[in-house]
Amino acid sequence: DAGVIQSPRHEVTEMGQEVTLRCKPISGHNSLFWYRQTMMRGLELLIYFNNNVPIDDSGMPEDRFSAKMPNASFSTLKIQPSEPRDSAVYFCASSPRGTGGSYEQYFGPGTRLTVT
Amino acid sequence: AQSVTQLGSHVSVSEGALVLLRCNYSSSVPPYLFWYVQYPNQGLQLLLKYTTGATLVKGINGFEAEFKKSETSFHLTKPSAHMSDAAEYFCAVSGSNFGNEKLTFGTGTRLTIIP
Repeated sequence: DAGVIQSPRHEVTEMGQEVTLRCKPISGHNSLFWYRQTMMRGLELLIYFNNNVPIDDSGMPEDRFSAKMPNASFSTLKIQPSEPRDSAVYFCASSPRGTGGSYEQYFGPGTRLTVT
Repeated sequence: AQSVTQLGSHVSVSEGALVLLRCNYSSSVPPYLFWYVQYPNQGLQLLLKYTTGATLVKGINGFEAEFKKSETSFHLTKPSAHMSDAAEYFCAVSGSNFGNEKLTFGTGTRLTIIP
């Protein structure tokens, strides 16, 4: 299995530009999670989906952030407009969780975002 | 709601010595507990997990952890440290019922191995 795939691996953009991060979960997994990791705040859950439906988006910082999961094999995290404080590593993870599952999550390699 | 406390943001041990990384949790429902490892510039990799059953859990790379409900702890150990164990380690907790499945991570412990 290829694992969770994220693209791009690195993104450098200027403040005010739109940024789109992409994630392909492991085939057959029905839960998908977006995290942000920074030195100051550690690992934060932004949003997660179950069967393509957003379940909890309470971690999304503000309206500049949006996430979609149009089908079981693809998700995007968009920041518009981007700001320097959005600079972080963004991880996508997927889980085969079903009813009674153990919520084990498999992480992608991350996208390192730098906003100048 | 769940929370995790990892005691010690940095731990250094000599090669061949015992590794002990501490994790205490809080959960309003029976917890599922996890340890993840992160190597530089990589994503998180699952080391081991506790869901139900045996409280001593064995994982990859010789690591193990013991769930102690009375102490609300899930400490990670390895009898003999290798240089390749140098990484950051995260303890995480989730609930065991639908609606509580999201992982809450600790702040991480950076493990350094002294040659």
